[in-house]
Amino acid sequence: RKEVEQDPGPFNVPEGATVAFNCTYSNSASQSFFWYRQDCRKEPKLLMSVYSSGNEDGRFTAQLNRASQYISLLIRDSKLSDSATYLCVASNAGNMLTFGGGTRLMVKP
Amino acid sequence: SAVISQKPSRDICQRGTSLTIQCQVDSQVTMMFWYRQQPGQSLTLIATANQGSEATYESGFVIDKFPISRPNLTFSTLTVSNMSPEDSSIYLCSVNYAPGEFFGPGTRLTVL
Repeated sequence: RKEVEQDPGPFNVPEGATVAFNCTYSNSASQSFFWYRQDCRKEPKLLMSVYSSGNEDGRFTAQLNRASQYISLLIRDSKLSDSATYLCVASNAGNMLTFGGGTRLMVKP
Repeated sequence: SAVISQKPSRDICQRGTSLTIQCQVDSQVTMMFWYRQQPGQSLTLIATANQGSEATYESGFVIDKFPISRPNLTFSTLTVSNMSPEDSSIYLCSVNYAPGEFFGPGTRLTVL
């Protein structure tokens, strides 16, 4: 079983749609969580950190449920430019990152 | 955030040869990391490059195959030794810089 699991997708959604990605992690000692975005042939870029209290950044909302070891990312009002692979990441106390396999999103006109 | 550059950005190499990838950061950082991203896969940590000490390798990666240097707090190199086609991958360096980890643009390696 992978330490961080994601549905690989692809998620094909129309512009303006709301889409949610889920992620589960197996290491209960994981301390910090992130969502990264990776465009084709580019490096991953930090999208947002994920907190137990939930956090929102514009159209993006991230949630963490430590009891269920579950992380989510919600994108509202999808734009064409949101098309990318979204990577769920867990970090341990030593700041070592473990990446999920990524979820591919394609937003269509 | 940190500004990270890598050289070369891409290379095509013959099997049996070695390639050294350079990573430069615009500020001093304690830890630098090297990752591999194989085609269609997510990122896998190869090793942590510590300044002034040996690199720490993850399971499945060894120093003889992936020697790492970290001569100062802004620079590191990763060498992919005795390459085979299975080493074809993107190699990325990263640094931990609040609020998260930031990646270099990657080196796309193709081994023939």
